[in-house]
Amino acid sequence: GENVEQHPSTLSVQEGDSAVIKCTYSDSASNYFPWYKQELGKRPQLIIDIRSNVGEKKDQRIAVTLNKTAKHFSLHITETQPEDSAVYFCAAISNFGNEKLTFGTGTRLTIIP
Amino acid sequence: GAVVSQHPSWVICKSGTSVKIECRSLDFQATTMFWYRQFPKQSLMLMATSNEGSKATYEQGVEKDKFLINHASLTLSTLTVTSAHPEDSSFYICSARGVFGQPNSNQPQHFGDGTRLSIL
Repeated sequence: GENVEQHPSTLSVQEGDSAVIKCTYSDSASNYFPWYKQELGKRPQLIIDIRSNVGEKKDQRIAVTLNKTAKHFSLHITETQPEDSAVYFCAAISNFGNEKLTFGTGTRLTIIP
Repeated sequence: GAVVSQHPSWVICKSGTSVKIECRSLDFQATTMFWYRQFPKQSLMLMATSNEGSKATYEQGVEKDKFLINHASLTLSTLTVTSAHPEDSSFYICSARGVFGQPNSNQPQHFGDGTRLSIL
């Protein structure tokens, strides 16, 4: 089955700086890669996603890049703000019809004011 | 749109009690629902996939007789933790997938707010 690894497990950045979280996946058939933000005790919220037919996607301060050859994808947050502090999970789906999400281990992002 | 309601949000009960958690898709039909468990400071681990009108598919290591799943309609799935013990204490989250091609299918899964289960 799919295995998703995520690094780093914790990340602290100064407010206004950029944050980068990286994930690798094992199943070359994976074709959809969402990123979730989870605040303490709450549900994961989809913040951005990318499909395997594109290499990069951007939504305001958030961007995701995908390297299919290397089987890794990254989340980039620019101009970080205190409200960006949360746990971020990457995920992969090996078959969109099946839609069985495999999550990464999570990154606790702390924005230092 | 794409609201998934999960109840209860918090349960505290004695060891040996059975606890039922409901997951409802409020504004769309969910042919498939997923149940996850999340321990503190850990990732979401898929427990089972629930398909309307058929038996759930459990992930390896998840006891199907302990975690009973029923998906009797296109808008409701339930997870019953039978004879719960302290080690079952966790955050349980459901998600629902809409009918492919219909509204709300642009996202693979819509998550409920989760249920925090504490077994004393």
